[in-house]
Amino acid sequence: QKEVEQDPGPLSVPEGAIVSLNCTYSNSAFQYFMWYRQYSRKGPELLMYTYSSGNKEDGRFTAQVDKSSKYISLFIRDSQPSDSATYLCAMSAYSGGSNYKLTFGKGTLLTVNP
Amino acid sequence: DTEVTQTPKHLVMGMTNKKSLKCEQHMGHRAMYWYKQKAKKPPELMFVYSYEKLSINESVPSRFSPECPNSSLLNLHLHALQPEDSALYLCASSQETRTPLTASVAKNIQYFGAGTRLSVL
Repeated sequence: QKEVEQDPGPLSVPEGAIVSLNCTYSNSAFQYFMWYRQYSRKGPELLMYTYSSGNKEDGRFTAQVDKSSKYISLFIRDSQPSDSATYLCAMSAYSGGSNYKLTFGKGTLLTVNP
Repeated sequence: DTEVTQTPKHLVMGMTNKKSLKCEQHMGHRAMYWYKQKAKKPPELMFVYSYEKLSINESVPSRFSPECPNSSLLNLHLHALQPEDSALYLCASSQETRTPLTASVAKNIQYFGAGTRLSVL
């Protein structure tokens, strides 16, 4: 079983739809949970991060963490064509010394059609 | 400002060439990272520098040689690469403290540059 599982999609939705992106994980040591957006041929851009279970909202984006189920989600409301990108979940765990390492999901390719 | 700048944006090199990738950040971060990303795959960690010292080397072949000349700069020297090394090379940075096991938010949050797209012929 991989440490982080993410459905690679592709996911295609009409403009204005609500998008739900999800990751599951198996490592209880993960402490921080991030969502990155990556446009084609560009570097990952940090969208949101969360620590505890619960919801965190930023504009049209809501990140949700359920540590008891080892499940995280990213919701995008009123999706726009500019949201078309690959969305990567990432989780951070202590790796010795003063280091923390990120473990990424495979990424979900999202296309929002006008 | 959460900017990490990488140069060059694109690089084409032969298998006998020597080239370097450069990464710069001015956020005062003291942890810097190199990742390799192949198409349709997530980033893979290569190296971590903490306070300008190499702290993690993920068993990367010696044809990749990292260097951290100061707290703002990170280089990746390339020599005798193979075609399978063609990929997007990403630099990232995060805050750092000298206190082990301090699970501060800042330490866990990495900011990425736009990457260098490398083609080895």
